[in-house]
Amino acid sequence: QKEVEQNSGPLSVPEGAIASLNCTYSDRGSQSFFWYRQYSGKSPELIMSIYSNGDKEDGRFTAQLNKASQYVSLLIRDSQPSDSATYLCAVNRAGGGNKLTFGTGTQLKVEL
Amino acid sequence: DADVTQTPRNRITKTGKRIMLECSQTKGHDRMYWYRQDPGLGLRLIYYSFDVKDINKGEISDGYSVSRQAQAKFSLSLESAIPNQTALYFCATSGAGTGERQPQHFGDGTRLSIL
Repeated sequence: QKEVEQNSGPLSVPEGAIASLNCTYSDRGSQSFFWYRQYSGKSPELIMSIYSNGDKEDGRFTAQLNKASQYVSLLIRDSQPSDSATYLCAVNRAGGGNKLTFGTGTQLKVEL
Repeated sequence: DADVTQTPRNRITKTGKRIMLECSQTKGHDRMYWYRQDPGLGLRLIYYSFDVKDINKGEISDGYSVSRQAQAKFSLSLESAIPNQTALYFCATSGAGTGERQPQHFGDGTRLSIL
């Protein structure tokens, strides 16, 4: 079982729709969770961080965390073509210092 | 100006050559990391350093070495490059405050091709 799992996609959504990206992790001791956006050939860019169960909203983005189910998700409302990218889920395990374990990413395509 | 700067941005070299990738940062962060990214495999940690005197191996350190010359500089070396080290390499930094809640910030990457 991979430590951090994401569906590779591609996930295709029409412009203006809600995109839902999911991530599961194996270590129950994980404490911090991050979503990064990566355009092709570019570096990962931090979008959201979440540490407590529940929802955290920032503009069009909402991160959701359920530690009991070991599940973290990212919702993108009013999806735009510029949101087309690969979204990486990263998890920081308890006692791991600042080491992050990354999922392989989900490719999102927002279609006109 | 970029907060995390990697040089070179692109490099093509031959098998057996020694290569150094450099990373410098102006963020004032203590913690620095080197990753490689391969299609389908995601980002994998090569080495990390939590301060100038602290160097740690990541999950794929074989064939690589690092040097932390100063708080702001962290270099990655391939002593004798081989083709399967062809990848996109990223340097990242993070602060030490609030421990594990610190996100990592990435440089623009170095695309390395070994022929």
